[in-house]
Amino acid sequence: QKEVEQDPGPLSVPEGAIVSLNCTYSNSAFQYFMWYRQYSRKGPELLMYTYSSGNKEDGRFTAQVDKSSKYISLFIRDSQPSDSATYLCAMLGYGGATNKLIFGTGTLLAVQP
Amino acid sequence: NAGVTQTPKFRVLKTGQSMTLLCAQDMNHEYMYWYRQDPGMGLRLIHYSVGEGTTAKGEVPDGYNVSRLKKQNFLLGLESAAPSQTSVYFCASSYPPLAGWSYEQYFGPGTRLTVT
Repeated sequence: QKEVEQDPGPLSVPEGAIVSLNCTYSNSAFQYFMWYRQYSRKGPELLMYTYSSGNKEDGRFTAQVDKSSKYISLFIRDSQPSDSATYLCAMLGYGGATNKLIFGTGTLLAVQP
Repeated sequence: NAGVTQTPKFRVLKTGQSMTLLCAQDMNHEYMYWYRQDPGMGLRLIHYSVGEGTTAKGEVPDGYNVSRLKKQNFLLGLESAAPSQTSVYFCASSYPPLAGWSYEQYFGPGTRLTVT
């Protein structure tokens, strides 16, 4: 079993829809949770991060962490065609001093105009 | 600032050939990483470095070697390429985790390697 599970999609939605992207994990030692966005043929870039449980909002994006369920989510409101990308969740693994991230496999999102 | 750059962008190798991938960063980051990205497998850490002159193994180090002779550069070597090493390789860099919120890793654009 992988430490981090993520549905690979693809997920196709119409412009303006609310998108929900999710990851589950098995290691209760994870404390930092991140979402990276990767456009086609580009490197990933950090979109949002949260520490421990709770919600964090940034514009149209909301990141949610439920440590009791070992479940994290990224919500995108009023989705735009420019949001079409692969979204990777990432979590900071044990051995935090070495800053090793554990990534999900990524979910491919397509927002149709 | 250029951020993280990778050379080359594309490469095709024959089985058994060797090559070196170069990563350079201009953000004065202490930490640097090499990942490979394969369909259905996500990003997997190959090797990483926590400072000039240091390297350590990641999740999938076999068949690869690395060197960090200068703080701004991190080299990934394939001594004898195999078809299983066909992948997209990403370099990343970051500040040390003790420097406040510094868990963000900055990624390069990637190198697409095909081994035939």
